[in-house]
Amino acid sequence: GAVVSQHPSWVICKSGTSVKIECRSLDFQATTMFWYRQFPKQSLMLMATSNEGSKATYEQGVEKDKFLINHASLTLSTLTVTSAHPEDSSFYICSARKAGVGGSPLHFGNGTRLTVT
Amino acid sequence: ELKVEQNPLFLSMQEGKNYTIYCNYSTTSDRLYWYRQDPGKSLESLFVLLSNGAVKQEGRLMASLDTKARLSTLHITAAVHDLSATYFCAVVHNNNAGNMLTFGGGTRLMVKP
Repeated sequence: GAVVSQHPSWVICKSGTSVKIECRSLDFQATTMFWYRQFPKQSLMLMATSNEGSKATYEQGVEKDKFLINHASLTLSTLTVTSAHPEDSSFYICSARKAGVGGSPLHFGNGTRLTVT
Repeated sequence: ELKVEQNPLFLSMQEGKNYTIYCNYSTTSDRLYWYRQDPGKSLESLFVLLSNGAVKQEGRLMASLDTKARLSTLHITAAVHDLSATYFCAVVHNNNAGNMLTFGGGTRLMVKP
């Protein structure tokens, strides 16, 4: 159990276009989802915390108007990279926590590799 | 601000040898995770450590936690090539949005046959 599905697993887009990444909890409800970004050979950096039904909380230095997060249901959060540029190319990973269990471990999606040309 | 530091960042070792990866963190936390990441893949959960003195073992890997020293270790016993991967520790702490994870910089482990 506790499967998190991320889609797409990879995407190539042209500079200036927008890309939407989906994160779904398949067999549990997740009130909180997290979005991370990982550049090559670096660690995971938290971008934002997404709470169902409310606005996301962004980490310092992350542009909220560029990285739009929507957590409209207990099983789905989306990250939209707007007007993507080559420097946005990265590996994006979401994670989800089961609803009602504050100490539960996070379950990670398989990640989305974004390449902006 | 919580800081999580791992060392070494890169480790090359021979099969059959033992080694320890260290994870230091700067503020109080009651939960620490160890993850494995293979190239191009997401994270695989290895261990969650919940209390001072906690020790968990799975195969050739053993993790421990000392909350007083704010230190966790991941010990590798008799390494094999299949253990080659990047290992991350991550510490739970609370910010305005609730509990969140902060990751260490990762340790790239390469086990040579």
